[in-house]
Amino acid sequence: EAGVAQSPRYKIIEKRQSVAFWCNPISGHATLYWYQQILGQGPKLLIQFQNNGVVDDSQLPKDRFSAERLKGVDSTLKIQPAKLEDSAVYLCASSSRQGNTYEQYFGPGTRLTVT
Amino acid sequence: DQQVKQNSPSLSVQEGRISILNCDYTNSMFDYFLWYKKYPAEGPTFLISISSIKDKNEDGRFTVFLNKSAKHLSLHIVPSQPGDSAVYFCAARGGGNKLTFGTGTQLKVEL
Repeated sequence: EAGVAQSPRYKIIEKRQSVAFWCNPISGHATLYWYQQILGQGPKLLIQFQNNGVVDDSQLPKDRFSAERLKGVDSTLKIQPAKLEDSAVYLCASSSRQGNTYEQYFGPGTRLTVT
Repeated sequence: DQQVKQNSPSLSVQEGRISILNCDYTNSMFDYFLWYKKYPAEGPTFLISISSIKDKNEDGRFTVFLNKSAKHLSLHIVPSQPGDSAVYFCAARGGGNKLTFGTGTQLKVEL
């Protein structure tokens, strides 16, 4: 079974530029998550999709971040314009029900550096 | 408001000995607790979980203990192996399958 795919793996941009990240979840997983992991911290949920609908985007900075999951499969996360504090690893995860738990499977992440 | 805390940023253990990683939480509504392991340049991978109605769950060398009254859980690794060297994240599940992560503990298993 293929895992969660993310691209690019690394991205360096200047502040005020825009950037987009792509995620392809595990086949059949209805739920998709985007996390932001700043160095020295744990992953923080930005947005959660159930199929192509948003379940939770309470921690997404909506003035600069946007995300979509067209057709309920792939997803893109965009930052426009980027700030220095956006430097982080952006992780995508997906899940489906496994018994009573909803274990989340993570992709390798995209490391963003904003200069 | 940090609802899940891992107060030890790092831990060093000798190969073959027991590794104990600790985690504290504040929200009594969490219903599942999970441990994830993360190697450099990779995403976190699921290791073991425990329901809030249990106090112990074991899987091979890994055992998680939950003390609800103290809002504390721990991960025991016995025996520790060099390949266990990684960052370990504690996570707690709230409503809507939302996970709240701790800040992680870097485990180093020395030969």
